[in-house]
Amino acid sequence: EAQVTQNPRYLITVTGKKLTVTCSQNMNHEYMSWYRQDPGLGLRQIYYSMNVEVTDKGDVPEGYKVSRKEKRNFPLILESPSPNQTSLYFCASSPLTILGDTEAFFGQGTRLTVV
Amino acid sequence: LAKTTQPISMDSYEGQEVNITCSHNNIATNDYITWYQQFPSQGPRFIIQGYKTKVTNEVASLFIPADRKSSTLSLPRVSLSDTAVYYCLVGYSSASKIIFGSGTRLSIRP
Repeated sequence: EAQVTQNPRYLITVTGKKLTVTCSQNMNHEYMSWYRQDPGLGLRQIYYSMNVEVTDKGDVPEGYKVSRKEKRNFPLILESPSPNQTSLYFCASSPLTILGDTEAFFGQGTRLTVV
Repeated sequence: LAKTTQPISMDSYEGQEVNITCSHNNIATNDYITWYQQFPSQGPRFIIQGYKTKVTNEVASLFIPADRKSSTLSLPRVSLSDTAVYYCLVGYSSASKIIFGSGTRLSIRP
């Protein structure tokens, strides 16, 4: 089954404790991206990757890191989480850039709480 | 500054046609509009996409007027299972930038 898998689904952590949210896709897609979803703000892009070893900042990259060492995996790293990073996070993959002419497939989401 | 605006919520009844509008400024003739549907505790799911005047698939239609200042998602004959949040996404190709709308919560009643 074609899917994007995120782990964990739920995470509560303390300020400053490094964490990684994993994302894996089995569709051999070139493009992967991360979003955060906050009430009233919709989805905002954090980082995206056009291919292996190619990553770029989205609209809200501060406080986040990503890596794309393999085509299928695109982990999101919070080196020193802060309470304002409490949010619902989604990973997505698509054959082409999400700018257009492509369908993005989203993971189930990771609800992160930083206390 | 590019901005994408949607109504916060809409209500309708089973069997009705529902139209959800997304307002966006400065959209070029080759900029794509995409609509996604999201159910609670799930990721968004693709509904329809296009950049021309009208696109139709098996579940929805997308209309983009000539001035390209808005786009409308049309859902024919909605059912209770269409209750969800709907997001428009604008792809600004010249800026290599995407912007999601803040979402429209659609509630369908029997």
